[in-house]
Amino acid sequence: DTGVSQDPRHKITKRGQNVTFRCDPISEHNRLYWYRQTLGQGPEFLTYFQNEAQLEKSRLLSDRFSAERPKGSFSTLEIQRTEQGDSAMYLCASSLGGGVGGYTFGSGTRLTVV
Amino acid sequence: AQTVTQSQPEMSVQEAETVTLSCTYDTSENNYYLFWYKQPPSRQMILVIRQEAYKQQNATENRFSVNFQKAAKSFSLKISDSQLGDTAMYFCAFAAPSTSGTYKYIFGTGTRLKVLA
Repeated sequence: DTGVSQDPRHKITKRGQNVTFRCDPISEHNRLYWYRQTLGQGPEFLTYFQNEAQLEKSRLLSDRFSAERPKGSFSTLEIQRTEQGDSAMYLCASSLGGGVGGYTFGSGTRLTVV
Repeated sequence: AQTVTQSQPEMSVQEAETVTLSCTYDTSENNYYLFWYKQPPSRQMILVIRQEAYKQQNATENRFSVNFQKAAKSFSLKISDSQLGDTAMYFCAFAAPSTSGTYKYIFGTGTRLKVLA
């Protein structure tokens, strides 16, 4: 297991298109998190899964955003009808237990909406 | 609401010297954890060091140590014997229990550290 993997690394899309990102967490980790990082800012929480259940969503996650974690393994984050304000780095992280030992982050997916 | 503030957007240090990065936070929680993460250019975030709020002893990890002042809500990171590989963005993070049963992290805006040869 080589850590948290995210795909793609970069995505350029036209405004109004839909995009989907994938995250493969560390296999033993039951908790998975999505964060968004814009230029000059720290990561901001988007949503959290424990196994397959989505237990918390930030108000940053508008109706155009949806996340899934089928079977408690990989997760997908979909953005519908993308807007220029969605341009950001989308980070996935996983943890075993509540995360007090630290999250393991992936390298992120950089989204550019043109 | 909890907040994390890093007041130094950029810092530089000569190789082999010591540098201290500042972080302050605001919370009414008593049970929380604090972290420093390193984000090298175009690479993933890596945990540098963590501190439990209930422990008075400051955490250390090799060349990295923290100065945790709970009453002042301050959590600075000291890097000793700086190396070129320490060049990165450093994020301070605060974690407290959320209503969903996990520890949700709140990050500061980061300090860009450059180690000079």
